[in-house]
Amino acid sequence: GNSVTQMEGPVTLSEEAFLTINCTYTATGYPSLFWYVQYPGEGLQLLLKATKADDKGSNKGFEATYRKETTSFHLEKGSVQVSDSAVYFCALSEWTGNQFYFGTGTSLTVIP
Amino acid sequence: NAGVMQNPRHLVRRRGQEARLRCSPMKGHSHVYWYRQLPEEGLKFMVYLQKENIIDESGMPKERFSAEFPKEGPSILRIQQVVRGDSAAYFCASSPRAPSGGQETQYFGPGTRLLVL
Repeated sequence: GNSVTQMEGPVTLSEEAFLTINCTYTATGYPSLFWYVQYPGEGLQLLLKATKADDKGSNKGFEATYRKETTSFHLEKGSVQVSDSAVYFCALSEWTGNQFYFGTGTSLTVIP
Repeated sequence: NAGVMQNPRHLVRRRGQEARLRCSPMKGHSHVYWYRQLPEEGLKFMVYLQKENIIDESGMPKERFSAEFPKEGPSILRIQQVVRGDSAAYFCASSPRAPSGGQETQYFGPGTRLLVL
């Protein structure tokens, strides 16, 4: 079946530190991969996505590369800001399905 | 552009009562999805609806839960005779088109936090 395993949090970093949040997946076919971010009190917002192997999604300084050989889609940012404090969800969508499969979310707190 | 709207944002019910959760999709979106997030877990798919039709309810509990998306008005997720295990965050998402090759982005609302006492 389909599933997403995400790095457990919470993660606390100092401003300007490097961020990696690990995400690995299991899929029966050819999924698209997504990172969503949820700021306090708000809904999930799409951060970036990649639809095929070796694609790199990027947005707001965040990047993730679709690695089929390691079934991974790790989220990275070179220099985090306090405003990046949020919960980050990795998700996949199967090309034959109607639903998204989500990881459990990773809470990030960036301190000045 | 208004995003996906959900109300109420917080809902408290006693065991045995009914809970009705509403979702208004983004303008121009006719596809709605409901997800549930239990404490310490990821979001789990419940149901996918188009206007007036349930397309996929494979994630919906067989009893007490129902969903609709009428021609006019918001989508409703209804939980009858709530139990404490129904306490969770319920998220609605919408998309302008049907899922296609897994590439269609879903846009999420802020969620409804249901607490059953």
